[in-house]
Amino acid sequence: DADVTQTPRNRITKTGKRIMLECSQTKGHDRMYWYRQDPGLGLRLIYYSFDVKDINKGEISDGYSVSRQAQAKFSLSLESAIPNQTALYFCATSDALAGAPTDTQYFGPGTRLTVL
Amino acid sequence: GQNIDQPTEMTATEGAIVQINCTYQTSGFNGLFWYQQHAGEAPTFLSYNVLDGLEEKGRFSSFLSRSKGYSYLLLKELQMKDSASYLCAARDNYGQNFVFGPGTRLSVLP
Repeated sequence: DADVTQTPRNRITKTGKRIMLECSQTKGHDRMYWYRQDPGLGLRLIYYSFDVKDINKGEISDGYSVSRQAQAKFSLSLESAIPNQTALYFCATSDALAGAPTDTQYFGPGTRLTVL
Repeated sequence: GQNIDQPTEMTATEGAIVQINCTYQTSGFNGLFWYQQHAGEAPTFLSYNVLDGLEEKGRFSSFLSRSKGYSYLLLKELQMKDSASYLCAARDNYGQNFVFGPGTRLSVLP
């Protein structure tokens, strides 16, 4: 079984609809992230959470919200979807111990979202 | 500001060596990472540098110069399966976050 899972894998929706993307992990990591990827722009950070009670905005948080329901679950919501939110969305986890430099990220398989 | 630059596309021949460069500017610095991403798939971790110098892992090596804000990924004995995008990412000290470059799409030709 995959360590980081995302649902749905593909979603087509209409402008103005509310959408939730879900991420679950079995790695036991404290840190979770949501990114979007657009051609030519690379991965951009939307929100991140270093533990259940810690939620932080990333580079492009406008139009998005998140919920960290448990250590293993981190959901991303688009309150009112718009076409320029069409992108590939990735959830990631990491396990940075205090002072540890090797904080690599483990990515889920991605959710391809299309907003018409 | 925070910025990562890397070439958009590169082409190389099977069996050859290719070097993918990356320059970065971040608010503080706490590590440089390289990821491989095949089309439509998730990025996967390749290598990590936090000190200056070369780190070798099989066919892949990564180099870092912190004073120059520069890194490269060296791929040897290229195989067709190495055709992918290669993402450079710097972790900053301030937010403990990763800043990703746009990725370099490598095409390996027979």
